[in-house]
Amino acid sequence: GEKVEQHESTLSVREGDSAVINCTYTDTASSYFPWYKQEAGKGLHFVIDIRSNVDRKQSQRLIVLLDKKAKRFSLHITATQPEDSAIYFCAASRNAGAKLTFGGGTRLTVRP
Amino acid sequence: GGIITQTPKFLIGQEGQKLTLKCQQNFNHDTMYWYRQDSGKGLRLIYYSITENDLQKGDLSEGYDASREKKSSFSLTVTSAQKNEMAVFLCASSSGQGNERLFFGHGTKLSVL
Repeated sequence: GEKVEQHESTLSVREGDSAVINCTYTDTASSYFPWYKQEAGKGLHFVIDIRSNVDRKQSQRLIVLLDKKAKRFSLHITATQPEDSAIYFCAASRNAGAKLTFGGGTRLTVRP
Repeated sequence: GGIITQTPKFLIGQEGQKLTLKCQQNFNHDTMYWYRQDSGKGLRLIYYSITENDLQKGDLSEGYDASREKKSSFSLTVTSAQKNEMAVFLCASSSGQGNERLFFGHGTKLSVL
């Protein structure tokens, strides 16, 4: 089955700098890649996604890049703010309605 | 907007005990999920249900039962709690009609003494 690996378990950046979280996946048939954010004591909430028909997507300060050849995708958070501090999960599935496989999570800390 | 409510927020059990976690959603979503979250291991799917009375096993279904009594509720039973087990159980829902976005509850934190 699909395996999704998040390479950074923790990441610390200074406020205003960019943060990059990297994920790899194993199933070449995966075509849908969402990202979720979990703040302390809460459930996850969706932040951004990308499908395999594009290699870049941006929503305000969030950019997702997809490299299908390398089976790698990444989340870039620009101009980080303290409220970006959270655990971020990447995930992958074969299509939009299929079961998601999640990575292990990256705890991002934005230092003032 | 809608909300997913998980009860209880904290659950303390004894080894071998049968424990039930509940989840309610008012999104009118078709599909509901139970995930287990362990530190550093991400989320693993236990059970999901695509409609009332439907049940589908996930990757981690052994040791668990689930029940989708009605569209708005999905319960999970730990059939025999394991000593020193500690995890967060997250319930989620999605519209299931090609819309893939999941909405999560805040979780039930389980500790087994």
